[in-house]
Amino acid sequence: AQTVTQSQPEMSVQEAETVTLSCTYDTSESDYYLFWYKQPPSRQMILVIRQEAYKQQNATENRFSVNFQKAAKSFSLKISDSQLGDAAMYFCAYRSAYRGNLRGAGSYQLTFGKGTKLSVIP
Amino acid sequence: ETGVTQSPTHLIKTRGQQVTLRCSSQSGHNTVSWYQQALGQGPQFIFQYYREEENGRGNFPPRFSGLQFPNYSSELNVNALELDDSALYLCASSLATDTQYFGPGTRLTVL
Repeated sequence: AQTVTQSQPEMSVQEAETVTLSCTYDTSESDYYLFWYKQPPSRQMILVIRQEAYKQQNATENRFSVNFQKAAKSFSLKISDSQLGDAAMYFCAYRSAYRGNLRGAGSYQLTFGKGTKLSVIP
Repeated sequence: ETGVTQSPTHLIKTRGQQVTLRCSSQSGHNTVSWYQQALGQGPQFIFQYYREEENGRGNFPPRFSGLQFPNYSSELNVNALELDDSALYLCASSLATDTQYFGPGTRLTVL
């Protein structure tokens, strides 16, 4: 079974500064996906960024980028130019890669870490 | 394009009762996954439905059951509620194994 560990329960960052959230995972699979989701106080889980394990290039989405180290099983999220609206819980998640017909092949559920609470200081 | 919606937003039940939570998937999606998120924890996978059939289940007892309808909306049913069932229940829809998009959740309180 796969496990996801987020070792920083809480982090804080000054507005306009950069912060990095850490995530490590354990798996015996070679092909998989990694995600960062954001959950603000409104509770809705919002996709921030996605990384495919077979792609060596790190994913970026505007101010959000990842540092994916496959050999080290590490997947950190960097938020640049932090904004007040970035304050939220951030969850790292793992999912096995698609291998064929979805039906009968088992589900492709997300395995989440326990989350990191990010505060942004004005 | 409408996103994932869930109803109700909040629900209060007493121990031993039964509850039904509802989820409407995003337009074009045929797969629904349900997660339970206890306070201060990450979501835990309950089960997934693909084209109206259960397609995988997490470590939850049989009193957690579900349905998916021809329009791909879904229900989560929990029988014989226990205090530990108090949590945020999240529904996520996807097109098969593509990225999952979440609804706003249903907060269930069991007294």
